[in-house]
Amino acid sequence: GAVVSQHPSWVICKSGTSVKIECRSLDFQATTMFWYRQFPKQSLMLMATSNEGSKATYEQGVEKDKFLINHASLTLSTLTVTSAHPEDSSFYICSARDKWEPEAFFGQGTRLTVV
Amino acid sequence: AQKVTQAQTEISVVEKEDVTLDCVYETRDTTYYLFWYKQPPSGELVFLIRRNSFDEQNEISGRYSWNFQKSTSSFNFTITASQVVDSAVYFCALSHLNTNAGKSTFGDGTTLTVKP
Repeated sequence: GAVVSQHPSWVICKSGTSVKIECRSLDFQATTMFWYRQFPKQSLMLMATSNEGSKATYEQGVEKDKFLINHASLTLSTLTVTSAHPEDSSFYICSARDKWEPEAFFGQGTRLTVV
Repeated sequence: AQKVTQAQTEISVVEKEDVTLDCVYETRDTTYYLFWYKQPPSGELVFLIRRNSFDEQNEISGRYSWNFQKSTSSFNFTITASQVVDSAVYFCALSHLNTNAGKSTFGDGTTLTVKP
């Protein structure tokens, strides 16, 4: 149990375009989802926390207008990188938990390359 | 605020050597989870272990063992008889259990290279 799936696994996009990344909980209802970003050879840094049906809470320094998070259902959260630039190239990974379990489970991540 | 420190940025060993990866954490929470993950070049986080803060029993799983010492806020990871396939980046992480449950703080990672 506790499977989290991210799609796509990798994506290449042109500078100035927008990219949507999906995070799905396959066998539980994810009341809370977390989005992390990992630059090459660095650690994972939390970008935002989203609760189903509510606006996401962003960490300091993360532009909420650039990284749009939607958590409209209990099994799906999306991260949209708007007007992507090469400096947004990174590994994006989500995690999800349900209301009864304090542990969050990670998706397999999405490698974004902006050219 | 929470903090996880992995002081070893890179470790290189020869196959069959034992290696210990250090992890020290800081938190004001009295209950929390500690994790170790392996991250191969593909990027996916491979879960290795979860430890609850009130369970200080050490654990062994095959060639892997973990030493949790609450008194020194450390959660060290030892690989016995290392193999080339153990080469990866290893992350230690701390997660809230109550407020902000599931929110994780990661260390900077230790890159382990096992040479044949």
